[in-house]
Amino acid sequence: NAGVTQTPKFRVLKTGQSMTLLCAQDMNHEYMYWYRQDPGMGLRLIHYSVGEGTTAKGEVPDGYNVSRLKKQNFLLGLESAAPSQTSVYFCASSPPSGGIYNEQFFGPGTRLTVL
Amino acid sequence: GQQLNQSPQSMFIQEGEDVSMNCTSSSIFNTWLWYKQEPGEGPVLLIALYKAGELTSNGRLTAQFGITRKDSFLNISASIPSDVGIYFCAGHRSGGSNYKLTFGKGTLLTVNP
Repeated sequence: NAGVTQTPKFRVLKTGQSMTLLCAQDMNHEYMYWYRQDPGMGLRLIHYSVGEGTTAKGEVPDGYNVSRLKKQNFLLGLESAAPSQTSVYFCASSPPSGGIYNEQFFGPGTRLTVL
Repeated sequence: GQQLNQSPQSMFIQEGEDVSMNCTSSSIFNTWLWYKQEPGEGPVLLIALYKAGELTSNGRLTAQFGITRKDSFLNISASIPSDVGIYFCAGHRSGGSNYKLTFGKGTLLTVNP
């Protein structure tokens, strides 16, 4: 099992450019999440998905869009990148809670710089 | 959004020392998780706690789910250089969405060999 993988690992964009970050998981998890991590801010939830074809906003959704066309993939898009979106982006997945299990499993991250 | 209060923010210790860190909240949580993040990597789950009062160990790590359900503690015994990293607590809040976690801001641990 590869677990949660993210593509690309690093990217530099110019202000106004667009890009898509790809997250893939091979654990058959229902739920997937996108976070951003900034110094001193911890992990902040951008968007999440509770199943194929569904997405919802998290704490900091502005400037981002997501899609979950396949259960194993969760895409994060930046339509017009801004310097404030310079951050490290993490994808995570978790099985359906159905009870007590709420563990999320994280990918290795994508380091994005917007100039 | 709601944050957990995690302390200390950072620790600088000598190899072999024991370490303690904690998370507190004004709300009740029904699950507490502890993650470790090494430089350039994503957070990795260390310990999961599901019941108030539960004490769980994973090697040199021990974590406890507070009796009030509003706090959790992580202890590392006999620290070694590879313990370096950021430790995050995370909680699933009672009555909240079944799929969202609340994270602390992390404790940065540095171990001097």
